[in-house]
Amino acid sequence: GIQVEQSPPDLILQEGANSTLRCNFSDSVNNLQWFHQNPWGQLINLFYIPSGTKQNGRLSATTVATERYSLLYISSSQTTDSGVYFCAVPNQAGTALIFGKGTTLSVSS
Amino acid sequence: KAGVTQTPRYLIKTRGQQVTLSCSPISGHRSVSWYQQTPGQGLQFLFEYFSETQRNKGNFPGRFSGRQFSNSRSEMNVSTLELGDSALYLCASSPQGEDTEAFFGQGTRLTVV
Repeated sequence: GIQVEQSPPDLILQEGANSTLRCNFSDSVNNLQWFHQNPWGQLINLFYIPSGTKQNGRLSATTVATERYSLLYISSSQTTDSGVYFCAVPNQAGTALIFGKGTTLSVSS
Repeated sequence: KAGVTQTPRYLIKTRGQQVTLSCSPISGHRSVSWYQQTPGQGLQFLFEYFSETQRNKGNFPGRFSGRQFSNSRSEMNVSTLELGDSALYLCASSPQGEDTEAFFGQGTRLTVV
């Protein structure tokens, strides 16, 4: 099955710093999602990005489907950005999401 | 538009008991899928339902089952609970399931004692 790897596993930043999170996947996929898991456990949708680049405020994401990776950029990080970031891709049938192990981001003031 | 609603939010059960979790998808979404999240195994797919039919099942024992109703609401059931079933159970809904954006509920945190 498809393997999803995220790096780095942990990231510690000072408020105001920029960061790049990476997601590699082992096979071609039709789409990719980025999520932020809040302290209460809910997965918040950040991007649905099969290919190309999307931006939403201080966050942006780029997926290069031909090279099987996606990047999530966080600029001017804030303490509220802390949490776990997951990327997920669909399985072969498209009926399940395969998640990476996540990147835990800690932003301190 | 209301989001995905999961009930209950928290649950404590004793080993050997059974439990039923509920998920109401976003209005108009016909696909509901379930995931288990544990510190050791991460997020793992349990099963997916579309129009009351289970289309896909993850690698979990038969104690884990689910169903979907005609209004797209879904339930999952775990029988003969084990300590290792303690986890956050997340439900996701999407319009069609295949290659469409999934939206998650707040989860049900199950503790088995």
